[in-house]
Amino acid sequence: QVQLQESGPGLVKPSETLSLTCTVSGGSIRSYYWSWIRQPPGKGLEWIGYIYYSGSTNYNPSLNSRVTISVDTSRNQFSLKLSSVTAADTAVYYCARRVGLKWFDPWGQGTLVTVSS
Amino acid sequence: QSVLTQPPSVSGAPGQRVTISCTGSSSNIGAGFDVHWYQQLPGIAPKLLIYDNINRPSGVPDRFSGSKSGTSASLAITGLRAEDEGDYYCQSYDSSLSSVVFGGGTKLTVL
Repeated sequence: QVQLQESGPGLVKPSETLSLTCTVSGGSIRSYYWSWIRQPPGKGLEWIGYIYYSGSTNYNPSLNSRVTISVDTSRNQFSLKLSSVTAADTAVYYCARRVGLKWFDPWGQGTLVTVSS
Repeated sequence: QSVLTQPPSVSGAPGQRVTISCTGSSSNIGAGFDVHWYQQLPGIAPKLLIYDNINRPSGVPDRFSGSKSGTSASLAITGLRAEDEGDYYCQSYDSSLSSVVFGGGTKLTVL
């Protein structure tokens, strides 16, 4: 079965760019949509955006100007870049497969990214 | 303030039935967009519980059921068990925001 695993730095300085990668195993990244979702400590879930394996993307309008999601089908990976981060971007970042442009399943285990100098 | 409104908390004794509501508007649930539910146990990633309003993925017990009517949806859990304690989130799509939206989450406590 498909499994997802996030990786990347756990600490990012304010104003810098947060970069994370999600590795998909147990299945091909082709023919599905792949998303990033985040959860600030003690708070709810916020959708960041998604990418299709072909490279087409869609982002949360509230984050659109700072987000870039890319895909590398040869490595079965997709990535997130979030620029000009502030403390408000501190969160657990999850990658997930979006099924039929509807629900998210499965999810990665999540990775905590802290924005601090 | 979440676009989809859920009660912050619900509770029930073991064996009892609880429901969690998810109230939206004419630009999301009321517009016909489907509702999906996730269970997040303490310290663990969310897990899909209900998709397309009423459907359970394989492996999800039939103690969990979903419904949708008008601008709202509900998740019902019967035969409450201690291992059901955690947070529950609804999710849909909002056409005005052009965005996936989540409810604020409901913390379930099994007394």
